[in-house]
Amino acid sequence: GESVGLHLPTLSVQEGDNSIINCAYSNSASDYFIWYKQESGKGPQFIIDIRSNMDKRQGQRVTVLLNKTVKHLSLQIAATQPGDSAVYFCAENQGGFQKLVFGTGTRLLVSP
Amino acid sequence: NAGVTQTPKFRILKIGQSMTLQCTQDMNHNYMYWYRQDPGMGLKLIYYSVGAGITDKGEVPNGYNVSRSTTEDFPLRLELAAPSQTSVYFCASSRGQGSYEQYFGPGTRLTVT
Repeated sequence: GESVGLHLPTLSVQEGDNSIINCAYSNSASDYFIWYKQESGKGPQFIIDIRSNMDKRQGQRVTVLLNKTVKHLSLQIAATQPGDSAVYFCAENQGGFQKLVFGTGTRLLVSP
Repeated sequence: NAGVTQTPKFRILKIGQSMTLQCTQDMNHNYMYWYRQDPGMGLKLIYYSVGAGITDKGEVPNGYNVSRSTTEDFPLRLELAAPSQTSVYFCASSRGQGSYEQYFGPGTRLTVT
């Protein structure tokens, strides 16, 4: 709701820790999921994606896990760095033409 | 490649004024999108286009119009601006057809007073 959006969930970690950011998605028919990173004052930047027929995908220092049973998505960041500080959004593709539905986001704060 | 560019970066409008937000991409992408982002919220799709001459409504199209006369440009028109349209507007593009990665512009911060 509106009150949740105004106060973004925040995850605070120390540099070098592993971070896990969670997302609940809404539509069991969504076939594709994406994680975006948004730094202050900038547009979102693609991190990693996963298709609904997969349950895990790894990238460079990032892993996305998909649990369709409970409609849950997570982003794991290994050895978190101060440059990882940003707001992270999950997005689901609910229909054709890549019409994405975005979550409200989680703020990641990394302390040196 | 400049990627996706948006102008202006900032704008203040009075209630009832109109303006056009410009978006250009130089990646020859077929798909283009307009989103708005309210403070502390995720992005909501306003309009999208899958090619020149083809546009369609997204989740929150009321109060906006778009056109797509070329592959590169996808302007967003606000008619009769209202305070509820105060937001940050992002344009994005995608190659489409098997590629789901959307590339975003830097955004336009619009305030309607």
